[in-house]
Amino acid sequence: DAGVTQSPTHLIKTRGQQVTLRCSPKSGHDTVSWYQQALGQGPQFIFQYYEEEERQRGNFPDRFSGHQFPNYSSELNVNALLLGDSALYLCASSLVGRGEQYFGPGTRLTVT
Amino acid sequence: RKEVEQDPGPFNVPEGATVAFNCTYSNSASQSFFWYRQDCRKEPKLLMSVYSSGNEDGRFTAQLNRASQYISLLIRDSKLSDSATYLCVVSDGGSQGNLIFGKGTKLSVKP
Repeated sequence: DAGVTQSPTHLIKTRGQQVTLRCSPKSGHDTVSWYQQALGQGPQFIFQYYEEEERQRGNFPDRFSGHQFPNYSSELNVNALLLGDSALYLCASSLVGRGEQYFGPGTRLTVT
Repeated sequence: RKEVEQDPGPFNVPEGATVAFNCTYSNSASQSFFWYRQDCRKEPKLLMSVYSSGNEDGRFTAQLNRASQYISLLIRDSKLSDSATYLCVVSDGGSQGNLIFGKGTKLSVKP
């Protein structure tokens, strides 16, 4: 039973560039949430996707956007990268109506 | 007031010790509560859900006090492998609520 997978594992970008991160949920899960974790902090909620629509959004600017595909996989896009966007980006999957979320290994983004 | 507050630690304990972590949350509408553990540079992993009646999983016991908006985790007979950061997590109150994380409490178990 495959768990949550994310790609790439590491990424280095320059300020102003755009990045796309990918996530495949755990088998049987239909909901994907994205989190940003800065060093020494707990993960911060970015947004959640269900049935290919954004259901909830945290306090992140419009530079952060996403998408969910019919197979439940998801992408996180960040435009006009800032140095402060450097963080571990975590994808979590869950089953609608269930509170437990299961995390992928994350993508470590460094913006220089 | 922060949404989820935890003592950042670190807690340095010898093997075999009992250690307790506490957490408070601000949103009284929160419906779901969890403890996650996170190893250095790894993803958070669900340790256990927390129920109003309290629940136990082996050496781990979690308790919830809704009136005080307080959650606890007790680890008995600590093992070296318990060394990690423990994250207190609360849902935001929706039916499929997003998770609000505390900053975590670092535990180091020494031989």
